[in-house]
Amino acid sequence: AQSVAQPEDQVNVAEGNPLTVKCTYSVSGNPYLFWYVQYPNRGLQFLLKYITGDNLVKGSYGFEAEFNKSQTSFHLKKPSALVSDSALYFCAVRDVNNAGNMLTFGGGTRLMVKP
Amino acid sequence: NAGVTQTPKFRVLKTGQSMTLLCAQDMNHEYMYWYRQDPGMGLRLIHYSVGEGTTAKGEVPDGYNVSRLKKQNFLLGLESAAPSQTSVYFCASSYSKARGSYEQYFGPGTRLTVT
Repeated sequence: AQSVAQPEDQVNVAEGNPLTVKCTYSVSGNPYLFWYVQYPNRGLQFLLKYITGDNLVKGSYGFEAEFNKSQTSFHLKKPSALVSDSALYFCAVRDVNNAGNMLTFGGGTRLMVKP
Repeated sequence: NAGVTQTPKFRVLKTGQSMTLLCAQDMNHEYMYWYRQDPGMGLRLIHYSVGEGTTAKGEVPDGYNVSRLKKQNFLLGLESAAPSQTSVYFCASSYSKARGSYEQYFGPGTRLTVT
């Protein structure tokens, strides 16, 4: 069975500083990995994905994520945080053999960016 | 395009009452999903559909039924609501595996309270 762990319930960072939100995964075969963001009282918005190719993936709003196969990690990063980045972030994984494109989500990490 | 829409946005039910949540998408996606989101537990898949007229159980299907009579609609039913079904419900859709695009797109959610 596939699983995702987001070890930090909350990450605090000052505006302008770099941010990292951690994600590790467990899946049989090659993983497809995703990051989503959820603003208050909204649905999840797709940020970026890793399917194959370059281990550094760039996405929306200046976010990027680094796939590390040996560490089974897919950490979300941004060089300079904005207050408006404050939200709930979810990592998700899809088994390559998954017939229905089903995703398994981590528990979420709340990012707080302080001015 | 409206994307994925959900009705209603809020609902309060009494224990034992029934209701249907409606999800609609205008992106011509083959696959559709129903999730529930509870604090600290991320999103859990209730049921999903890989095409019109087909549905399958997800991780937490008990107490729910679904139907996909039209490609663009996916209905989630609660036949006899219980307080444990108090949650925020999200619908999502995606292209099929064959199209090579794996991310899911989410609706704004329905907040359901069962008293």
